[in-house]
Amino acid sequence: EVQLVEAGGGWEQPGRSLRLSCAISGFTFDDHAVSWVRQAPGKGLEWVGFIRSKAFGGTTEYAASVKGRFTISTDDSKGIAYLQMNSLKTEDTAVYYCAREKNYSGYAFDYWGQGTLVTVSS
Amino acid sequence: DIQMTQSPSSLSASVGDRVTITCQASQDIRKYLNWYQQKPGKAPQLLIYDASNLELGVPPRFSGSGSGTDFTFTISSLQAEDVATYFCQHYDHLPFTFGPGTKVDIK
Repeated sequence: EVQLVEAGGGWEQPGRSLRLSCAISGFTFDDHAVSWVRQAPGKGLEWVGFIRSKAFGGTTEYAASVKGRFTISTDDSKGIAYLQMNSLKTEDTAVYYCAREKNYSGYAFDYWGQGTLVTVSS
Repeated sequence: DIQMTQSPSSLSASVGDRVTITCQASQDIRKYLNWYQQKPGKAPQLLIYDASNLELGVPPRFSGSGSGTDFTFTISSLQAEDVATYFCQHYDHLPFTFGPGTKVDIK
C-alpha cells in the first residue's frame, strides 16, 4: 500500500530553519518523483518543489518563492524525503503536503500525505 | 508563470444535479491539466489527469475535457459526498500552478 507520512511541522520564528520529513512506503524514489505542495490557511494550493525520480537523475526544481531558501533531498535507505526550510518568512505559514508523482508520461500527484502545519511567527 | 483561473469560485446545487466547473490557463497548456478534489481538513485527491483521464478508483460521474487554454470538469450527478473544493493544476512546464479552487456544496 502506498503511503506518505509527513512530520516535523511546528512553530518557528522568522529567519530560523525547520526540516520536514516525508516517510514513504509502497514505492521507491527510483521510479517516482516526490513534490512538496503547501496550502496557507484558508487558501489554495501552491507547488513548492520536487525531486525527480532516480530514473530521471534525482534532480530538484523549486518555485521562485522558495528558491535559494528551501532544499529537497532524499534518504533512500530510510525511504524519507526532506524539505529543509531556511530563512523562514511569515508567508511560509501553511500546511505542507508531500505528494507522489504518478508514474507515467506526465506529472500528476496520485498519493498525498496528511500534511503537517508550519507556523512562522514572532 | 502560467496563471490558472476557475469559475465559478463557489456553487450550490441539489443532489442529482449536473455540475460544471471551468478552468482557464493564461497560455496554451495542451492537455497537461489535472483535477483534484479536496474535502475539508483532508489532503487533495487526484480525480482526472491529462484533462480527461479518470484516475483509477474514481467514480465515473466525474469527467474532464478540454485542451489548449480552456478546460471543463463535470460531475454528472452530484452526490452528498462530493461536497468539496475542486482544483485544476497544469504541468505544461515549471512551475506547476493550481487554480484558486471551486467550492461545491449541496443546496
